[in-house]
Amino acid sequence: AQSVAQPEDQVNVAEGNPLTVKCTYSVSGNPYLFWYVQYPNRGLQFLLKYITGDNLVKGSYGFEAEFNKSQTSFHLKKPSALVSDSALYFCAVRDTGYSTLTFGKGTMLLVSP
Amino acid sequence: DAGITQSPRYKITETGRQVTLMCHQTWSHSYMFWYRQDLGHGLRLIYYSAAADITDKGEVPDGYVVSRSKTENFPLTLESATRSQTSVYFCASSESRFGRGQGNEKLFFGSGTQLSVL
Repeated sequence: AQSVAQPEDQVNVAEGNPLTVKCTYSVSGNPYLFWYVQYPNRGLQFLLKYITGDNLVKGSYGFEAEFNKSQTSFHLKKPSALVSDSALYFCAVRDTGYSTLTFGKGTMLLVSP
Repeated sequence: DAGITQSPRYKITETGRQVTLMCHQTWSHSYMFWYRQDLGHGLRLIYYSAAADITDKGEVPDGYVVSRSKTENFPLTLESATRSQTSVYFCASSESRFGRGQGNEKLFFGSGTQLSVL
């Protein structure tokens, strides 16, 4: 079975500060990992993915994520947060041999001016 | 993205009624998906389709029916709506062929249908 956990319902950060949104996963094979973002009244948008290779993945809007196999984590990061980054962020995983993604419950990121 | 559209945007119905949510994509993506989004549950997969005339159950399929007679359309029907089906429904598509392992597994989502069952 594949699963993903986002331990924080909400993350608050001041504009200009670094941000981290946490994600841990569980798979039996090799994981394919993803981050998506949802702005109010919109569908989800793809941010970045880890398939294989470098543990640090760079994505859209200055976001990056670090894959850590020993800790089974895939945390989303950004060096300097913007107010416009405020949104709902979803981590997702697909195990080898599976045909679909499993999403986490989402983390609301609030960036204050 | 204009390539995947859902209709209606909002729908109010009564318990016991049949409701169909429409999804149309213009990219000829092979895979299409239906998710529901609920507070505290995130996104849960209802049904998905790997190609025309091929559909499969997801995590929460009970009470829902899908069909895919054409590649571009993937309607979701609630046969007899219940209050527990009040939710926001998202359709998504992907050009990836998941079964072949690595690929561009980027999902493209519609803007959603907000369904209220009274």
